[in-house]
Amino acid sequence: AQKITQTQPGMFVQEKEAVTLDCTYDTSDQSYGLFWYKQPSSGEMIFLIYQGSYDEQNATEGRYSLNFQKARKSANLVISASQLGDSAMYFCAMRETNYGQNFVFGPGTRLSVLP
Amino acid sequence: KAGVTQTPRYLIKTRGQQVTLSCSPISGHRSVSWYQQTPGQGLQFLFEYFSETQRNKGNFPGRFSGRQFSNSRSEMNVSTLELGDSALYLCASSKLTGGVNEQFFGPGTRLTVL
Repeated sequence: AQKITQTQPGMFVQEKEAVTLDCTYDTSDQSYGLFWYKQPSSGEMIFLIYQGSYDEQNATEGRYSLNFQKARKSANLVISASQLGDSAMYFCAMRETNYGQNFVFGPGTRLSVLP
Repeated sequence: KAGVTQTPRYLIKTRGQQVTLSCSPISGHRSVSWYQQTPGQGLQFLFEYFSETQRNKGNFPGRFSGRQFSNSRSEMNVSTLELGDSALYLCASSKLTGGVNEQFFGPGTRLTVL
């Protein structure tokens, strides 16, 4: 069964500092994708970054990077130079490539950026 | 291009009533998925539609149903509402089904059952 674990219910970071949000996953499939989404208080889910299981390089998107350690089944999100607008819930999600599967989300981490 | 739209944004119903939520995917996207988000259970997958066919279904009772139209717009219906159905219902669209396809989410419909 798929499972996503995010062990940090809440995190605080000082503005302009970097922060790492943890995500570990469990799958027996060899082919899968890992996603991070941001959910501000408005409720909309905003796609941040994607990592494929066969990608050798860690994904980066602007201030977001994904620290992918396949053997450890971890896909941590790193946000550099935190901004006040980064305060939100962050969800790690996985989708296997087998037919019939869909996204499974972790419980989320609430990030608060302090001025 | 326009994002995923959901209507209505807010809804208040009473127990026993039924409700229909609507989702319009991004133009060109043929897959629409529905999720329920509650503080206790987090984000849970309801079902996915692709080309008017239900492809996947989560672990929800039969009171939750959906359909997709030929223009890829989707509706979700919940009959005989219960207090526990109060949640944020999110719709997401992607170009294809299966595989590793990014999903784009709508703003959600917040349903309150009294």
